[in-house]
Amino acid sequence: LAKTTQPISMDSYEGQEVNITCSHNNIATNDYITWYQQFPSQGPRFIIQGYKTKVTNEVASLFIPADRKSSTLSLPRVSLSDTAVYYCLVGALRGSGAGSYQLTFGKGTKLSVIP
Amino acid sequence: DTAVSQTPKYLVTQMGNDKSIKCEQNLGHDTMYWYKQDSKKFLKIMFSYNNKELIINETVPNRFSPKSPDKAHLNLHINSLELGDSAVYFCASSPRQGSVEQYFGPGTRLTVT
Repeated sequence: LAKTTQPISMDSYEGQEVNITCSHNNIATNDYITWYQQFPSQGPRFIIQGYKTKVTNEVASLFIPADRKSSTLSLPRVSLSDTAVYYCLVGALRGSGAGSYQLTFGKGTKLSVIP
Repeated sequence: DTAVSQTPKYLVTQMGNDKSIKCEQNLGHDTMYWYKQDSKKFLKIMFSYNNKELIINETVPNRFSPKSPDKAHLNLHINSLELGDSAVYFCASSPRQGSVEQYFGPGTRLTVT
């Protein structure tokens, strides 16, 4: 499983755009990049997934350069309710059987949105 | 209309006891999971079931035994609880095995004293 590295914490003011970058230098050809959000005392919530270039949904955008060794989650105009831990995950279905696929969570980036 | 629900939300018990955590999903998903989030906030998968069949069984003590009576339920039974079992346990489900989009329950905070 590709290891990911992301900042431990970030601060942002309300209304700003926030970009969280994740490094995954040993990403494999079949790996997808996935981002999850976790609020205190809640389970993680899927935000977005991508393989290459740019993906956008109603919550965020995900930018992936051509070499795929990093990715950037972009949150437009954050509000106080976006304060959470954001996890970058890299992995792929590698076949059937035990251990064939799993989400491996790192420490994530703790985003604090300031009024 | 909760998608993935767990009971209980909090569980405080003494060492050596046996306890169960229940999970139910009403999303019609084929695959369900149990995760453990320790005090350092690392979230690690423990088990995965696909259509009631065990798919993933990570290095977990055999005191932990999952049971899936049907596709919508995945329970976790823990025997002889130890202090180190204190953590938040999350249940999750996904439409199929290998799906990166998983839906997590609210978690069960287990405290072993």
